[in-house]
Amino acid sequence: EAGVVQSPRYKIIEKKQPVAFWCNPISGHNTLYWYRQNLGQGPELLIRYENEEAVDDSQLPKDRFSAERLKGVDSTLKIQPAELGDSAVYLCASSATIAGELFFGEGSRLTVL
Amino acid sequence: AQSVTQPDIHITVSEGASLELRCNYSYGATPYLFWYVQSPGQGLQLLLKYFSGDTLVQGIKGFEAEFKRSQSSFNLRKPSVHWSDAAEYFCAVGARTGANNLFFGTGTRLTVIP
Repeated sequence: EAGVVQSPRYKIIEKKQPVAFWCNPISGHNTLYWYRQNLGQGPELLIRYENEEAVDDSQLPKDRFSAERLKGVDSTLKIQPAELGDSAVYLCASSATIAGELFFGEGSRLTVL
Repeated sequence: AQSVTQPDIHITVSEGASLELRCNYSYGATPYLFWYVQSPGQGLQLLLKYFSGDTLVQGIKGFEAEFKRSQSSFNLRKPSVHWSDAAEYFCAVGARTGANNLFFGTGTRLTVIP
């Protein structure tokens, strides 16, 4: 069974440029999460989806970050415009239920110059 | 507010030696507790979890952890470390309400020397 797939694995952009990350969760997993992991830190939740609905986006900086999960399957996280402080690894995870085990993708490492 | 403290940023052990990684949490109620491992350039993999019942839980790769309510701790142990255990280890807490939002500690980096 395929795991959580993320792309791109690495992205280098200049500040003020836009960037997007894509995540395909494990088949059948209704709950999808985006986490941000800063260097030397643990992951921090940005947004959680139950199917198509964003049920917890309280930590998402909405002035520049947006996310969507239109068909309740794969998801896109966008940053526009990117700032230097956005350099981090963006992790996607999915679970079969809202209380189930989280399975993480390998992450997308963003470097903003 | 919930928080997770991993007091050791970096630990170095010899291969074959025992290991204990510390985790303390602050939470309004008894949370779900997890340990994850992250190898360089990889995502997080679940080692073990505590929901209820026996306070000593067994995980993958020979790891175990003990929940101590009185100390608000959930320390991870392994009796004999292998070189392949070198990685970053994260303790996390989650709510029992059914919303599986995990709060992670800052991690402990484990170096294994031959």
